[in-house]
Amino acid sequence: ETGVTQTPRHLVMGMTNKKSLKCEQHLGHNAMYWYKQSAKKPLELMFVYNFKEQTENNSVPSRFSPECPNSSHLFLHLHTLQPEDSALYLCASSQGRTVSSGNTIYFGEGSWLTVV
Amino acid sequence: AQSVTQLGSHVSVSEGALVLLRCNYSSSVPPYLFWYVQYPNQGLQLLLKYTSAATLVKGINGFEAEFKKSETSFHLTKPSAHMSDAAEYFCAVRPGGNEKLTFGTGTRLTIIP
Repeated sequence: ETGVTQTPRHLVMGMTNKKSLKCEQHLGHNAMYWYKQSAKKPLELMFVYNFKEQTENNSVPSRFSPECPNSSHLFLHLHTLQPEDSALYLCASSQGRTVSSGNTIYFGEGSWLTVV
Repeated sequence: AQSVTQLGSHVSVSEGALVLLRCNYSSSVPPYLFWYVQYPNQGLQLLLKYTSAATLVKGINGFEAEFKKSETSFHLTKPSAHMSDAAEYFCAVRPGGNEKLTFGTGTRLTIIP
């Protein structure tokens, strides 16, 4: 079992659907992230949360809505997505904002999203 | 702003041969540098990281990388490739004091039997 768990692993949704991706980390970290991985593009940082507070929104469209109820859980709510939003969505966590030798970012296995 | 360039989106090596995956970075402040590996249908796993200690960093699975400030490089090497090394490899940079990790576009490593 990895320290960062994502569900569902695969999701197919229509453009008018509402769905959510869930992430849970068991590492005692206080920072959590959402990344988007599309084919032939670098990983794109979407959101950063530190101690439940959003510290970065990387110009993500409002059809993606994150929620961080506590330091261990992170959600990505999806609504009226477009086919080009189909990608692998990766959740990650790290110890926190202050960079030190221990601040590795640990990733979950990702949620494959297909928008039809 | 920081950036990462990985030369070669695809690299093929024979089993038992040297693996060399290239990474060059730009950063306005001393960086932290990382290599991650992604096996098929999995998330990213940390291979190794440079955090301003030794310039030659050893990671898991026999991989290592050397930080060369004069060349702004952090190339990943392994002396002898195994079939199990076939995966996609990502170099990433994070400037000191900043939580934002910037990734390269990745290099897909294929091992030829």
